[in-house]
Amino acid sequence: SQTIHQWPATLVQPVGSPLSLECTVEGTSNPNLYWYRQAAGRGLQLLFYSVGIGQISSEVPQNLSASRPQDRQFILSSKKLLLSDSGFYLCAGGGLGDTEAFFGQGTRLTVV
Amino acid sequence: RKEVEQDPGPFNVPEGATVAFNCTYSNSASQSFFWYRQDCRKEPKLLMSVYSSGNEDGRFTAQLNRASQYISLLIRDSKLSDSATYLCVVSRSARQLTFGSGTQLTVLP
Repeated sequence: SQTIHQWPATLVQPVGSPLSLECTVEGTSNPNLYWYRQAAGRGLQLLFYSVGIGQISSEVPQNLSASRPQDRQFILSSKKLLLSDSGFYLCAGGGLGDTEAFFGQGTRLTVV
Repeated sequence: RKEVEQDPGPFNVPEGATVAFNCTYSNSASQSFFWYRQDCRKEPKLLMSVYSSGNEDGRFTAQLNRASQYISLLIRDSKLSDSATYLCVVSRSARQLTFGSGTQLTVLP
């Protein structure tokens, strides 16, 4: 079965600092991959999704970017964090022909 | 209009009660439907898929109404451990998953 690894679990970063969150997938090939953000007490907001290497779709304009350098690797980045970037970031994967999504354990980011 | 809409709640119900959540979706080309459960400060986890004919898993029943474009989740005999946020998820034809914002349920002793 599919497993999503995401790290770190918790991160505290100052405003203006860069960000790199990594997500890797085991147990499947060519997965659809997603980055979601969940603000405190709010629903999941889709940030990016990818259907393959180098293929990134952005759902909302923002201070973040995503890259998919390998089939099972999905990276969320920022050059300069804003206070509003604080939240719970979740990487999810859904395999080809299997639309169920599996989530990583999430990264709780606090920008101070 | 949001692609997937849910009543955010909160729903506060006594133990043993029956509670139902609805979710509406706007894209008629949507193909697959799911209910996820999210505990506080944790990642969402699949509760159950929703099939056209309706499906049941123990105390949980999910139904799909394609004509009216909504799905529902019924929880019977609520337990304290059912307290969580329930997320409606819809898969579009582009294999993209869209999550509702969730319905918060608190089961009270």
